Amino acid sequence: EAGVVQSPRYKIIEKKQPVAFWCNPISGHNTLYWYRQNLGQGPELLIRYENEEAVDDSQLPKDRFSAERLKGVDSTLKIQPAELGDSAVYLCASKKRETQYFGPGTRLLVL
Amino acid sequence: GESVGLHLPTLSVQEGDNSIINCAYSNSASDYFIWYKQESGKGPQFIIDIRSNMDKRQGQRVTVLLNKTVKHLSLQIAATQPGDSAVYFCAENILGGSQGNLIFGKGTKLSVKP
Repeated sequence: EAGVVQSPRYKIIEKKQPVAFWCNPISGHNTLYWYRQNLGQGPELLIRYENEEAVDDSQLPKDRFSAERLKGVDSTLKIQPAELGDSAVYLCASKKRETQYFGPGTRLLVL
Repeated sequence: GESVGLHLPTLSVQEGDNSIINCAYSNSASDYFIWYKQESGKGPQFIIDIRSNMDKRQGQRVTVLLNKTVKHLSLQIAATQPGDSAVYFCAENILGGSQGNLIFGKGTKLSVKP
């Protein structure tokens, strides 16, 4: 069974530029999460989807962050415009029953 | 001991020894707990989980202990190997709740000396 796929793996942009991350969850996993992980810390939830519905986006900075999961499978997370403090690893996870499985993450560096 | 900010608690063990990684969780209503292993440049990898109606669960070379009285979770790794070197995170979750979200604790960096 293939794991959670994320792309790109690395991204370097200048501040104020837009950036987008893509996630393909494990087949059959209806719940999808986006997390942000700062250096030396645990992942922090940004948004959770149940199928195509965003059921928890309370931690998503909506002034610059947006996400979508149009067909209830793949998802994209966008930042526009990016700020220096957005440099982090952005992780996608999908869930079956109780267990969340994580992708490798996208490492974002904002200069 | 505990550290603040960017400095992870570190556990250094000799190859072949047993490792014990500790975690204090925050919510007494949490009823499901997971340990994740995160190697450099990779996403967290599921190791083992435990529900709150249990106090011990064993996997291959790993054991998780849960003490609900003091809200403490531990991960024991038997015969630690160099490949076990990574950052380990505990996470808590309230099953059946409207959120079903994981809350991650501070990580512990395990360093295995050959």
